[in-house]
Amino acid sequence: AQSVTQLDSQVPVFEEAPVELRCNYSSSVSVYLFWYVQYPNQGLQLLLKYLSGSTLVKGINGFEAEFNKSQTSFHLRKPSVHISDTAEYFCAVSGAGGTSYGKLTFGQGTILTVHP
Amino acid sequence: DGGITQSPKYLFRKEGQNVTLSCEQNLNHDAMYWYRQDPGQGLRLIYYSQIVNDFQKGDIAEGYSVSREKKESFPLTVTSAQKNPTAFYLCASSPTGSTDTQYFGPGTRLTVL
Repeated sequence: AQSVTQLDSQVPVFEEAPVELRCNYSSSVSVYLFWYVQYPNQGLQLLLKYLSGSTLVKGINGFEAEFNKSQTSFHLRKPSVHISDTAEYFCAVSGAGGTSYGKLTFGQGTILTVHP
Repeated sequence: DGGITQSPKYLFRKEGQNVTLSCEQNLNHDAMYWYRQDPGQGLRLIYYSQIVNDFQKGDIAEGYSVSREKKESFPLTVTSAQKNPTAFYLCASSPTGSTDTQYFGPGTRLTVL
């Protein structure tokens, strides 16, 4: 079984400030990790994913995330946010084998609100 | 343009009625998925299909049914047995396998009156 916990349900921040959205996971097998963004009343769009290799992953819109196996974390960061980054962000995990193969498990979501 | 379409965007039904949500993709993806989204709960997997004519239950399959007769189509029926069907429903597809990105449709918001 696998699970994902997003530690903050809401994160308010001022424009041009840095932001970190926290994600922890648990799994009995090796994992692949994803961050998605959802704008109001829309589907989800992939920001970035970690499959293997370098633990620092760069994505679209200036976002990056770092995989930390010892802390089972995959936190999302952006050095300077814009108003347009206001959205809900979801961390997700997929098992690399076993019964979890091919199935995404999502966290509860973090609503990022960027204030002017 | 390639992508995933879901229709309708908003759907209203009376309690006790079955309703079918449409999901079509022209990405030539093998795998398709249905998720339910409720505020503060993230997305929960209802059903998924990795190949035509085959599908598996996800975490919350009770009260739902699906079919996969064609590669590009994966309709979801919300039956009267689903106790709390009002939610936002998202369909996704991926080429195959757990390393592949899942691409999402725009969603259908179902409200049962």
